[in-house]
Parts: sequence; structure tokens; C-alpha cells
Amino acid sequence: DQQVKQNSPSLSVQEGRISILNCDYTNSMFDYFLWYKKYPAEGPTFLISISSIKDKNEDGRFTVFLNKSAKHLSLHIVPSQPGDSAVYFCAAYKGNNNDMRFGAGTRLTVKP
Amino acid sequence: KAGVTQTPRYLIKTRGQQVTLSCSPISGHRSVSWYQQTPGQGLQFLFEYFSETQRNKGNFPGRFSGRQFSNSRSEMNVSTLELGDSALYLCASSSPDSTDTQYFGPGTRLTVL
Repeated sequence: DQQVKQNSPSLSVQEGRISILNCDYTNSMFDYFLWYKKYPAEGPTFLISISSIKDKNEDGRFTVFLNKSAKHLSLHIVPSQPGDSAVYFCAAYKGNNNDMRFGAGTRLTVKP
Repeated sequence: KAGVTQTPRYLIKTRGQQVTLSCSPISGHRSVSWYQQTPGQGLQFLFEYFSETQRNKGNFPGRFSGRQFSNSRSEMNVSTLELGDSALYLCASSSPDSTDTQYFGPGTRLTVL
């Protein structure tokens, strides 16, 4: 069962604008959420994470928002840059169990 | 449609042994990628198979190998296990039409004692 879902397979934005990538999950036991970025022929690289005790975590141009009641998280990239073009995966797991569940990914294209 | 399945889900081995992990992709998917997830680190790409051929390979020693069968099922083998090989091993499959969208299996938790 797909416990983590990314319903948008692709997203295209203009350079300098905001990119918003969305992710929904079904398992309320998840308490740690991550975003990975993946370039072709490379493994996903960790981008940013958030635990369930927070509703926002910011790291430079990247901010992750968590809405526990809606079981929804989002990644905001501001301002978007062409180098941000990649596939973004959200992932979630519970506690000290690294049994992580991943979404299917969203391809972000940032146009110059 | 059934998702990606991986067997076994949990495995305990001792140093020096070898292990084989199995991954069955979503029906119709021909690409299977393997990743290693260790505590505190992100996913690390191991290799990708497509139509029974290894298409991409990450930076892992030769002890890690894999193969893909004609039905797209894939196996990963690790020989001469080391303590540091303890990890969650994930496989992901993607369809020929959308290779960016990878569907991950639940993973195999390998513990090396």
C-alpha cells in the first residue's frame, strides 16, 4: 500500500519563483519526514527533514511545512534556480525504525 | 496493481557470510534500482538494472552485485558481509514511460552481527 503519495508527477516553474512540492501520507504513526533530491543516474540525496513535533523547518532556500491534521507536507523552494531541476522524493518513517516509506517522486523543472 | 515487493523483510547474518535479497517490481516495470539506507545517512545508490542489463552503478565495492531476470525480478547479492553492511536495502521500479517516477518497495532490513 502506498502510505506516502506524491500526486503530481511533474512541476514546471520559472526561475526566481516559488516551487511548491506536495506530499500526503496515510499512516498517522509516522513522525519523521524527509525530502530527497535525485538527479538522473544518481541516488537520491537528502535535502531537508522535519519531525512531527514541528510544523516548519527552514534551511536556506528550502522550507518544509508539516500539517499533521491533514497528513500533508510540502517543500517550498524560494527562489527556484535552474540547478534545482531534479526529481524530489518525500519519505516518512516512524520513530527509531528506519523502515522508510517513499513517495513516487515529482520532477521539478525550473526554466531560466 | 501490486506494489514493489521485497523479500525477505528482515535478515540477520554474521560477518563473512553472504546474502541474497530479492525484489519484484510492479508488473510492467522493467527498471529496478537498488539503494542502501544506513542510519544517519541518506539513500545511496547501488545499481540499476533494465532489461536484464546493469545500466548504472554506484560507488560500492565489488562485494555488492546484482542481476535481473527476464521477468524483471531482480536480486542483489552481498558477499563477505561486514558490520557496516547493516542497513535497509531498498529497491525501486519504474516503467519505461516514466523512468523518473520510482516506486519503492518496503525494503529489507539486514543486520550483520
